[in-house]
Amino acid sequence: KQEVTQIPAALSVPEGENLVLNCSFTDSAIYNLQWFRQDPGKGLTSLLLIQSSQREQTSGRLNASLDKSSGRSTLYIAASQPGDSATYLCAVKGNYGQNFVFGPGTRLSVLP
Amino acid sequence: DTGVSQDPRHKITKRGQNVTFRCDPISEHNRLYWYRQTLGQGPEFLTYFQNEAQLEKSRLLSDRFSAERPKGSFSTLEIQRTEQGDSAMYLCASSTRDRVPVSEKLFFGSGTQLSVL
Repeated sequence: KQEVTQIPAALSVPEGENLVLNCSFTDSAIYNLQWFRQDPGKGLTSLLLIQSSQREQTSGRLNASLDKSSGRSTLYIAASQPGDSATYLCAVKGNYGQNFVFGPGTRLSVLP
Repeated sequence: DTGVSQDPRHKITKRGQNVTFRCDPISEHNRLYWYRQTLGQGPEFLTYFQNEAQLEKSRLLSDRFSAERPKGSFSTLEIQRTEQGDSAMYLCASSTRDRVPVSEKLFFGSGTQLSVL
């Protein structure tokens, strides 16, 4: 059974810092991995999707990497801004199951 | 592309009542998922449809929960005899499987927040 964890659970940084969020998964037989952002009381917004054959994806100030062999993905946020404050979740779709398995998320606060 | 739409946004009900939620996926998406999320946790999978067929159900989905997707378009999730433990955000997502490159990307609605008193 796939299990997904995220470290840290919460993070508070001053504006302008570069930061890394971590996602770990137990079964490396994955189809793809997706990073999401969630604002309080809202749905999830897709940030980046990494296919199993890819090592990384970039969008603006965001860069996500994938290392299947070690069961890890990282989300790098450059030059953080207060508007980046939200919860960031990763989700893994396995090769054999139909559902996406989510981590518990990292709650990020960027202080002005 | 109008995105995934969920209705209602909020629902307050008394314990023992039945509630029904609706999800309208992105029009060309043939896959539809229901998830449940409680405060401070990631979404938990409930059930999945491909077109009108319900292909997978979580063991979390007790017999009080039922989901349908008639004609492979919108979907409904009904909870019968609600309990306080059912209080959560119910999220709907849709997707389509891309052939090139082979991939599947989830798009979520804004969710329905259920409070059972």
